[in-house]
Amino acid sequence: EAQVTQNPRYLITVTGKKLTVTCSQNMNHEYMSWYRQDPGLGLRQIYYSMNVEVTDKGDVPEGYKVSRKEKRNFPLILESPSPNQTSLYFCASSLVQMNTEAFFGQGTRLTVV
Amino acid sequence: DQQVKQNSPSLSVQEGRISILNCDYTNSMFDYFLWYKKYPAEGPTFLISISSIKDKNEDGRFTVFLNKSAKHLSLHIVPSQPGDSAVYFCAASGQYSGAGSYQLTFGKGTKLSVIP
Repeated sequence: EAQVTQNPRYLITVTGKKLTVTCSQNMNHEYMSWYRQDPGLGLRQIYYSMNVEVTDKGDVPEGYKVSRKEKRNFPLILESPSPNQTSLYFCASSLVQMNTEAFFGQGTRLTVV
Repeated sequence: DQQVKQNSPSLSVQEGRISILNCDYTNSMFDYFLWYKKYPAEGPTFLISISSIKDKNEDGRFTVFLNKSAKHLSLHIVPSQPGDSAVYFCAASGQYSGAGSYQLTFGKGTKLSVIP
């Protein structure tokens, strides 16, 4: 089954404690991306990757890091999480570029206290 | 500056009637538009898309209309069903900088409630 898998689904952490949210896709997609969803703000792009070792900033990259060492994986790293990073995070992938259908993961609900 | 705007946070429609969800954009570089549907506790799922070279695309009960001169697109759902109740996101993509550099910009979403 074609899917994008994020882990964990829910996470509560404390300010400053480094964390990683994993994302994996099984569709051999080149393009992957991370979004955060906040009330009243919709979905905002954090980072995207057009292929292995090729990443770029989205609209709200501050406080986040990503890496793309393999085609299937695109982890999101919060080196020093802060309460304003409390949000619902989605990973997405698409075959080539984002003007083709994107498949989204089920989301990761992160709370930073 | 919000480049993709969905000005109606919510919409209620009777079952069987038409639902019309609207979206406006400001960036003339956008050349592809998509609609995604999102249920609670799930990720968004692709619904329908349209290229800027077209003005209409239809897929079953769903039709998207694009008015480039007005920088406006709309999603029509006919007939509306209770299972269509969800948040609908309008999204746009286009080349922002450099060859092959595409980003997807989303609106804030419209919550559609279809009343049985």
